[in-house]
Amino acid sequence: KNQVEQSPQSLIILEGKNCTLQCNYTVSPFSNLRWYKQDTGRGPVSLTIMTFSENTKSNGRYTATLDADTKQSSLHITASQLSDSASYICVVSRAGGSYIPTFGRGTSLIVHP
Amino acid sequence: EPEVTQTPSHQVTQMGQEVILRCVPISNHLYFYWYRQILGQKVEFLVSFYNNEISEKSEIFDDQFSVERPDGSNFTLKIRSTKLEDSAMYFCASSDTSGYNEQFFGPGTRLTVL
Repeated sequence: KNQVEQSPQSLIILEGKNCTLQCNYTVSPFSNLRWYKQDTGRGPVSLTIMTFSENTKSNGRYTATLDADTKQSSLHITASQLSDSASYICVVSRAGGSYIPTFGRGTSLIVHP
Repeated sequence: EPEVTQTPSHQVTQMGQEVILRCVPISNHLYFYWYRQILGQKVEFLVSFYNNEISEKSEIFDDQFSVERPDGSNFTLKIRSTKLEDSAMYFCASSDTSGYNEQFFGPGTRLTVL
């Protein structure tokens, strides 16, 4: 069964600190992995997209890594800001035929001043 | 900056009624999607649409659901006879190519079925 598991479920950090969110998946065959940021009551916004051959991708203070062998990804947030408070969702798509993506439950990040 | 828009932002309906959720995708995009998110749960894929036909649909997208692109700009999701469990946030998304490329999500329509 295709699954995406994220950890931790929630995280509280102080403004200015760094943090790392984890995503493990069983989706196979693998096509791509995306990280989204979802503010409360809003639609997800894409942060990064990585394919099998990419093992790191940055978008400003966000850096995603991918280990396709161990089927793990991480999202590292540097110098957190209050506006980083949101849910961060890992989404994995299969290759070959079905596009249907598998979403993780997300990590809820709260940044305190 | 172009964006996906959705109307209404909140829809309240009685069980058994039909609802139509509307979306205006980004103008040069060709692929359109509907997702739903039940409160407190993860986002779930419903359907993808390209070239005026459904590309893929999930198990959730049963005969109660239908999608349509009635003109060159709108993309709609119809639920024929709503059930209590249809209460959720419904997101429309669009992309310029399929699969790999970035999808842009709308702000969502919150559907409440009483």
